[in-house]
Amino acid sequence: GENVEQHPSTLSVQEGDSAVIKCTYSDSASNYFPWYKQELGKGPQLIIDIRSNVGEKKDQRIAVTLNKTAKHFSLHITETQPEDSAVYFCAAGGAQKLVFGQGTRLTINP
Amino acid sequence: ETGVTQTPRHLVMGMTNKKSLKCEQHLGHNAMYWYKQSAKKPLELMFVYNFKEQTENNSVPSRFSPECPNSSHLFLHLHTLQPEDSALYLCASSQDGWGNYGYTFGSGTRLTVV
Repeated sequence: GENVEQHPSTLSVQEGDSAVIKCTYSDSASNYFPWYKQELGKGPQLIIDIRSNVGEKKDQRIAVTLNKTAKHFSLHITETQPEDSAVYFCAAGGAQKLVFGQGTRLTINP
Repeated sequence: ETGVTQTPRHLVMGMTNKKSLKCEQHLGHNAMYWYKQSAKKPLELMFVYNFKEQTENNSVPSRFSPECPNSSHLFLHLHTLQPEDSALYLCASSQDGWGNYGYTFGSGTRLTVV
């Protein structure tokens, strides 16, 4: 079955700097890659997703890149703000149910 | 609100109690899920229902019993729980159960077993 590895498990950046979270997947049949943000006391919320027919997608300060050959995808957050502090999860799916990574706790330091 | 509503938000129960968690979605989704979230396992899949049929039971102990009476409602019946079952229980829904679309999560039920 699919296996998703996510790194790093914790990330601390200065406000205004960029943050990058990376994930790898094992099943080459996976073709859908969403990213979720979980704030304290809430469930995970979808923030951006990408399908395997594109290599990059942007939405304001966040972007996701996909390398199908290497089977890895990344979340990029630019000009980080305090409200970006949260736990982020990547996932892979399309051939089967979504499989989630272990999460990255992102802290933005003022 | 995300479109997936979970009740109650918080629950404290003794090990001999019986309680139920409820999840409701009116997004027109056909798949619903129960996840357990703890510090050790951030998103641990428990059950999957696809078009009201249970398609996955991820080796969950029988003290957890799911029920899906229709595609909009999902229950998790709890009995004789252990302290290690204390966790955040998340419900989610999606258009299908094959990972082609994103999941919409509820805010969860924080369960404490005493």
